[in-house]
Amino acid sequence: DAKTTQPTSMDCAEGRAANLPCNHSTISGNEYVYWYRQIHSQGPQYIIHGLKNNETNEMASLIITEDRKSSTLILPHATLRDTAVYYCIVRPQGGKLIFGQGTELSVKP
Amino acid sequence: NAGVTQTPKFRILKIGQSMTLQCTQDMNHNYMYWYRQDPGMGLKLIYYSVGAGITDKGEVPNGYNVSRSTTEDFPLRLELAAPSQTSVYFCASSYATFSSNQPQHFGDGTRLSIL
Repeated sequence: DAKTTQPTSMDCAEGRAANLPCNHSTISGNEYVYWYRQIHSQGPQYIIHGLKNNETNEMASLIITEDRKSSTLILPHATLRDTAVYYCIVRPQGGKLIFGQGTELSVKP
Repeated sequence: NAGVTQTPKFRILKIGQSMTLQCTQDMNHNYMYWYRQDPGMGLKLIYYSVGAGITDKGEVPNGYNVSRSTTEDFPLRLELAAPSQTSVYFCASSYATFSSNQPQHFGDGTRLSIL
């Protein structure tokens, strides 16, 4: 079973920041937080991952709370092409990805 | 770069037929994976391989077989197709060691219907 809890769906206005929350209260010390997204009919796409420090790349930022029990994925300026299902996954080092239901993000004009 | 390539993209099978879903990657990744995704659900791991000659079961291996004779290729075999195997199948690869956490790269999927 997935070790994360995410809202089923969210809306975001185009051009605004999209903040996607994820709870992972049972995360272990050696487990990383990964985010993937899946645009309709395509394979999942890696976005970002982190252990305990906040991370940023060209796609998004990942904010992990100090106790590591939750995190937030931030898309700073959402576009219509960011409409997708976003998966938050807790994964031990070298371990398998376990996908849950994810959050369906709809970016609206 | 081609990345992860899956063939075919679509296929319709009759119950009891067999087929092989092909997956190849050109990134020299040691790990490869097969997932299935049923409508409205997340991905479930079928089989994975940590290198040529080594395979292991995932969450839902029943009804499938795999082989890994080369680093590049990881075919998935359905021996006796059943309606419950109607799904979208994704292949993925990554470079991983015990101390690394490289992300998985996914193919575009094979949509399989069994009637």
